[in-house]
Amino acid sequence: GNSVTQMEGPVTLSEEAFLTINCTYTATGYPSLFWYVQYPGEGLQLLLKATKADDKGSNKGFEATYRKETTSFHLEKGSVQVSDSAVYFCALISNQAGTALIFGKGTTLSVSS
Amino acid sequence: GAGVSQTPSNKVTEKGKYVELRCDPISGHTALYWYRQSLGQGPEFLIYFQGTGAADDSGLPNDRFFAVRPEGSVSTLKIQRTERGDSAVYLCASSPRTGGLGANVLTFGAGSRLTVL
Repeated sequence: GNSVTQMEGPVTLSEEAFLTINCTYTATGYPSLFWYVQYPGEGLQLLLKATKADDKGSNKGFEATYRKETTSFHLEKGSVQVSDSAVYFCALISNQAGTALIFGKGTTLSVSS
Repeated sequence: GAGVSQTPSNKVTEKGKYVELRCDPISGHTALYWYRQSLGQGPEFLIYFQGTGAADDSGLPNDRFFAVRPEGSVSTLKIQRTERGDSAVYLCASSPRTGGLGANVLTFGAGSRLTVL
């Protein structure tokens, strides 16, 4: 079945450090891939998405590239801020009609000044 | 409405009681999803509706859990004979349609936190 595997956290960084959160997936067909973010006390929000191989999703300085050959969708940011502290979820949805969004377990990022 | 609304935001109940959680999706969204998020875990799929019908209920953990969406808009997740292990945040999301090429993005509500004592 479809599944998503994320690197385990927590990830602790200093402000302006480079961030990578690894995500790999298993899916039949050609899924669409997403990163969602959950800030403290808030609901899940879409951060970025990519719907086909080699697409790059980007938002708020975060980027992720859909790599079909390595079945990966790693999240990166060149310079993190304290306000980026949150839980990040990688997710996929199959291109087969009638399937649901599947999430990874989440990675907690903590950025200190 | 402007977003997905879930009520109650917090519910504390006793083991064995019956609970209903309500979700009001974005107007016009035909797809509606329920997820459960336990502490430190990612959201776990429970059920989704396309219109009034449950298109996939494979994530419901057992027959104590049931959900309805009688008019294709508001949905209610019902939990009978609650157990302590049911304690979690129950998330609702909606989208204009289900997955497929160029899958639509799910918009999530803030969740209903259920605590079973």
